Amino acid sequence: EAGVTQSPTHLIKTRGQQATLRCSPISGHTSVYWYQQALGLGLQFLLWYDEGEERNRGNFPPRFSGRQFPNYSSELNVNALELEDSALYLCASSFYVEPGELFFGEGSRLTVL
Amino acid sequence: KNQVEQSPQSLIILEGKNCTLQCNYTVSPFSNLRWYKQDTGRGPVSLTIMTFSENTKSNGRYTATLDADTKQSSLHITASQLSDSASYICVVRGDSWGKLQFGAGTQVVVTP
Repeated sequence: EAGVTQSPTHLIKTRGQQATLRCSPISGHTSVYWYQQALGLGLQFLLWYDEGEERNRGNFPPRFSGRQFPNYSSELNVNALELEDSALYLCASSFYVEPGELFFGEGSRLTVL
Repeated sequence: KNQVEQSPQSLIILEGKNCTLQCNYTVSPFSNLRWYKQDTGRGPVSLTIMTFSENTKSNGRYTATLDADTKQSSLHITASQLSDSASYICVVRGDSWGKLQFGAGTQVVVTP
């Protein structure tokens, strides 16, 4: 069974540009979570989607947005990129009923120059 | 203030030795606590889950303990191997769906 897949693996952008990251959850999982992990720091919660709706949001500016599609895959969009947005962006999925265990993808490394 | 504090921030141990990582939390109410292992550049992988009624749980050479009264958990690694070099993250779930509380992690380096 395929795990959580993320694309692209690496992405290089310049300040002011937009970045789009994609995530496909494990088959059967309806919840998708996005986290930001800056170099040397812990995971910071960004967004949680379930059944196509945004359920919760972390303390990030509105230029961080996303959506979940009918097939439960998800997109994270970061507009007006800033240097400090450089980080590993991790997507995780889980069953809604038992969200205790998150299954993480390998992440997308975003570098903003 | 982070509701999950981990210590030490990092540690270096010799291959074959044991070590213990600590996690203190203030999350309330408490639902469960998980320890994740994150290899460099990879996504975290769950090692153990502890619920309120559980005190100890093992997964191979990894043993987690939980004291729900003092809100403390520990992860003990026995007979460390080079492959144990990773960041170990403590994650606590309260009753806020989707908004788990993450510790900053303990970076473990196992040297030959």
